[in-house]
Amino acid sequence: EVQLVESGGGLVQPGRSLRLSCAASGFTFDDYAMHWVRQAPGKGLEWVSGISWNSGSIGYADSVKGRFTISRDNAKNSLYLQMNSLRAEDTALYYCAKDLVSEVIPSFDYWGQGTLVTVSS
Amino acid sequence: QSALTQPASVSGSPGQSITISCTGTSSDVGGYNYVSWYQQHPGKAPKLMIYDVSNRPSGVSNRFSGSKSGNTASLTISGLQAEDEADYYCSSYTSSSTLNVFGTGTKVTVL
Repeated sequence: EVQLVESGGGLVQPGRSLRLSCAASGFTFDDYAMHWVRQAPGKGLEWVSGISWNSGSIGYADSVKGRFTISRDNAKNSLYLQMNSLRAEDTALYYCAKDLVSEVIPSFDYWGQGTLVTVSS
Repeated sequence: QSALTQPASVSGSPGQSITISCTGTSSDVGGYNYVSWYQQHPGKAPKLMIYDVSNRPSGVSNRFSGSKSGNTASLTISGLQAEDEADYYCSSYTSSSTLNVFGTGTKVTVL
């Protein structure tokens, strides 16, 4: 059974940093691209970032480019999102999602339950 | 990169068919066959319903079908059931620096 478990969310002040983690199990992690997708309270889905199976291809939404960094550790079956210079508009539920393929051609067949990030003073 | 355009709401009676549209540009929906559709019930994670325009993942009912014409993709739900009441989002690969864009979302109501 595929499982994606996010962690690392919480309340953080504007301008500070936070690192999200996603622990994957139930599939061959290094065969697939992985992504972060967020959803602000009461709003729609927004793709944040994606990384190919070997970290050779990485993409970011314009809204987070230069502030967020995605990475993965295939030996630990883990995905990460380093979020710096956080803003109020980054407040959202952050989902970890598995791609259907190894490259960053976003189609997400499995999702975690999300970790909530709240940016507020 | 602007979000893909979806109707805010669509409704239908049980047993009817409804169609949700998703309009983009030649840089996303019209340029690639990488359109996906997701169903999201309140408080739940999204679920993949259609990928690559018209393919259904294993386990998804064949009442759900996808298509594309030009810059507009569509999701059709036939034989509408109460359990289909949810939010639906389209998504497309895009040639812009932002590799993916979601639609604005459509709330489906079963009357």
